[in-house]
Amino acid sequence: DAGITQSPRHKVTETGTPVTLRCHQTENHRYMYWYRQDPGHGLRLIHYSYGVKDTDKGEVSDGYSVSRSKTEDFLLTLESATSSQTSVYFCAISGGGSANEKLLFGSGTQLSVL
Amino acid sequence: SQKIEQNSEALNIQEGKTATLTCNYTNYSPAYLQWYRQDPGRGPVFLLLIRENEKEKRKERLKVTFDTTLKQSLFHITASQPADSATYLCALDADAGNMLTFGGGTRLMVKP
Repeated sequence: DAGITQSPRHKVTETGTPVTLRCHQTENHRYMYWYRQDPGHGLRLIHYSYGVKDTDKGEVSDGYSVSRSKTEDFLLTLESATSSQTSVYFCAISGGGSANEKLLFGSGTQLSVL
Repeated sequence: SQKIEQNSEALNIQEGKTATLTCNYTNYSPAYLQWYRQDPGRGPVFLLLIRENEKEKRKERLKVTFDTTLKQSLFHITASQPADSATYLCALDADAGNMLTFGGGTRLMVKP
């Protein structure tokens, strides 16, 4: 998707290993978000950022940490991956006057924890 | 508890007909509601935003209504086409200024 890229697109890892997903934007937007999408649960917010070094927890933050050292990059880390973290992860950005106006999503990362 | 409900069953309609998708919510007071389209293997794509003081909003073949009394939004696609087949998600700010919460989505299948 133009302006926002996620890497990797697919990852298979083992239980207990650390995993970092990267979101990169070229829109200079203030807000960045990490969601996970699971059947039966829809999209759920993990963490979000409202500026460099400014982050906050979402609905399902346990087991995840984030960092934003530059406007353009937002990293999601699973310190010790578990099978329950198998999911599709989406990064999103927004730059409106308030958070949440018109999110632009990345293409997603399919993560499998074995 | 707070909930956003969309029909989890797929909606099958014939090409040319109007598709109507429903988004109901409870225990929220959103400042606005949004609709997104998601194709398999892709991220959601923003379609429309409607504010609490707007009854209706249109964009080409799309129309959204927002009834804060009924706590419901309806999403209409007129003259539907097979290319409209996708999953449609509604989302709202749980309380004004808070982060977006998404419904589970409704899959629309338009048959030629």
